[in-house]
Amino acid sequence: QSALTQPASVSGSPGQSITISCTGTSSDVGGYNYVSWYQHHPGKAPKLMIYEVTNRPSGVSNRFSGSKSGNTASLTISGLQAEDEADYYCSSYTSTYSYVFGTGTKVTVL
Amino acid sequence: QVQLQQWGAGLLKPSETLSLTCAVYDGSFSGYYWSWVRQPPGKGLEWIGEINPSGGTGYNPSLRSRVTISRNTSKNQFSLELSSVTAADTAVYYCARHCSGGRKAFDIWGQGTMVTVSS
Repeated sequence: QSALTQPASVSGSPGQSITISCTGTSSDVGGYNYVSWYQHHPGKAPKLMIYEVTNRPSGVSNRFSGSKSGNTASLTISGLQAEDEADYYCSSYTSTYSYVFGTGTKVTVL
Repeated sequence: QVQLQQWGAGLLKPSETLSLTCAVYDGSFSGYYWSWVRQPPGKGLEWIGEINPSGGTGYNPSLRSRVTISRNTSKNQFSLELSSVTAADTAVYYCARHCSGGRKAFDIWGQGTMVTVSS
């Protein structure tokens, strides 16, 4: 199974909104509403930001939102803050009863 | 607050078996799915496999022939074994809990263990 495709980097100024895409196939992203997103600061454990495409775990800011269209899922960060600077990974359940992660996106706050 | 504490050998030689254990503290062990995920240096995350509340397992097809995930319910622990390691298995390895209800996302993660394979 191939990794889901994400842009290598996305940047924005404080207060702006950015969107990270995550493209897969009908065997993963397009076939299931089991897309999740993780924020990963180097040297720390990943943090779940979105699960089942649109759901935010308790404690995650409502500035983070998720969506999906066809084989592409998206994570939008609104009101960008300096603390949002991190790597972000999408993940999807797949038709082989496994999980695949995205290639990762480095978010830079200008 | 649930915490995952993981440990295991950090330096292996090619062909040896990687062995890591993850202990669950201050939370329920039974009733949850548990997974292992790794991240090679400079690369993205890769799911290795899971163990479910019944003790059944599921593995990444690319690693299935070399992976075994097991559990010890009396100790609230689960373990990873990866046989015949090579330099390509050098990575930070994380244990993780699936969200409640068997949801297909990982809400609690261990601190990570760096495993280096080198002769």
